[in-house]
Amino acid sequence: DAGITQSPRHKVTETGTPVTLRCHQTENHRYMYWYRQDPGHGLRLIHYSYGVKDTDKGEVSDGYSVSRSKTEDFLLTLESATSSQTSVYFCAISESSGANVLTFGAGSRLTVL
Amino acid sequence: GENVEQHPSTLSVQEGDSAVIKCTYSDSASNYFPWYKQELGKGPQLIIDIRSNVGEKKDQRIAVTLNKTAKHFSLHITETQPEDSAVYFCAAGVDNAGNMLTFGGGTRLMVKP
Repeated sequence: DAGITQSPRHKVTETGTPVTLRCHQTENHRYMYWYRQDPGHGLRLIHYSYGVKDTDKGEVSDGYSVSRSKTEDFLLTLESATSSQTSVYFCAISESSGANVLTFGAGSRLTVL
Repeated sequence: GENVEQHPSTLSVQEGDSAVIKCTYSDSASNYFPWYKQELGKGPQLIIDIRSNVGEKKDQRIAVTLNKTAKHFSLHITETQPEDSAVYFCAAGVDNAGNMLTFGGGTRLMVKP
């Protein structure tokens, strides 16, 4: 997980509260991604970014928003957390050229009660 | 969009035996097929990948085969060791920087000593 830091690593919150997860990279990679991992579903893309202030939706974007004000930081926000958003969230990065090789962070486990 | 199915969801083998994990994909435009290994408490890590102009690729004890006609690809691990125990994910996508990968549901491999 060198070069990618996710915070917090664990969080328990209540339904209806806002939550922000942070991904910080030191690799200067252009592309950053947020995935969620749930049993039986593998990894599903929530949002991704292809540059500062350039973001787009993934497969499961409803209820999530993102922001990227600096190359190194990509924030995932749950405006009003629901129990269905209990999951493990992974940030990933990839270089600006070449094959789409992803490097993942260590994950953030979110529990919404 | 792309749909990737992975089987089996769990696999238990005896140390020294071989393990095979299979994936099918739906989008004929996909030409990049990576495999990721996820150890407990960590993010997924790329272990091998294959592109559609190659039918087979090998790296020490692991190999991946691709059948584009049938739209399926497989991971083969020979002489399994306890440290091979992990969750394995296949994925499919277009080999282009920043393009999204679609992941399979994962296979939990357990290697019994």
